Amino acid sequence: IAGITQAPTSQILAAGRRMTLRCTQDMRHNAMYWYRQDLGLGLRLIHYSNTAGTTGKGEVPDGYSVSRANTDDFPLTLASAVPSQTSVYFCASSPDWYNEQFFGPGTRLTVL
Amino acid sequence: EDKVVQSPLSLVVHEGDTVTLNCSYEVTNFRSLLWYKQEKKAPTFLFMLTSSGIEKKSGRLSSILDKKELFSILNITATQTGDSAVYLCAVEAGGTSYGKLTFGQGTILTVHP
Repeated sequence: IAGITQAPTSQILAAGRRMTLRCTQDMRHNAMYWYRQDLGLGLRLIHYSNTAGTTGKGEVPDGYSVSRANTDDFPLTLASAVPSQTSVYFCASSPDWYNEQFFGPGTRLTVL
Repeated sequence: EDKVVQSPLSLVVHEGDTVTLNCSYEVTNFRSLLWYKQEKKAPTFLFMLTSSGIEKKSGRLSSILDKKELFSILNITATQTGDSAVYLCAVEAGGTSYGKLTFGQGTILTVHP
């Protein structure tokens, strides 16, 4: 692994289903983030984690949850997907919360 | 509410042209401004600016920040087709305990051969 990986690359999901988007980084970065990108709205922060064991809410956290059990992994869970969660999801990391953020390749999620 | 506005929203040029992309912001407790280039997938980091008047350069790309007038510009000289991308500006607000980035809508740059 080099950098940040996300899985799956894309997914079509029925409304009401539970889904976990995976994010793994091998750079030993302390801080990790989840964004969604929508046309006309740009990138918006969903949740963040400054260090393993801690998480916080970003700008649009409703309907999403995260966990940070270790430094490398930061999964994003949609407990019961809705069509408005159709988006491209990017995971990002930075050495610490005040450094520049580096982005993963993204997951394209469609909720029908 | 923090706000970042980029202009123009889209730009079409020919190879060899020079372009200037603009980013203005209104952010509480400004900490830094970042530029990213987004091609088909992930945004890739270009520059981080924290001090006014100091130009950052990387090859044909350069950027400068004006903290008094609350804007930044990204210049690309001698453009190439590989410069075609969406350029994103983001501003980090201070006074928080996390990397709170507010992104602009992006500028779509298309460079024709």
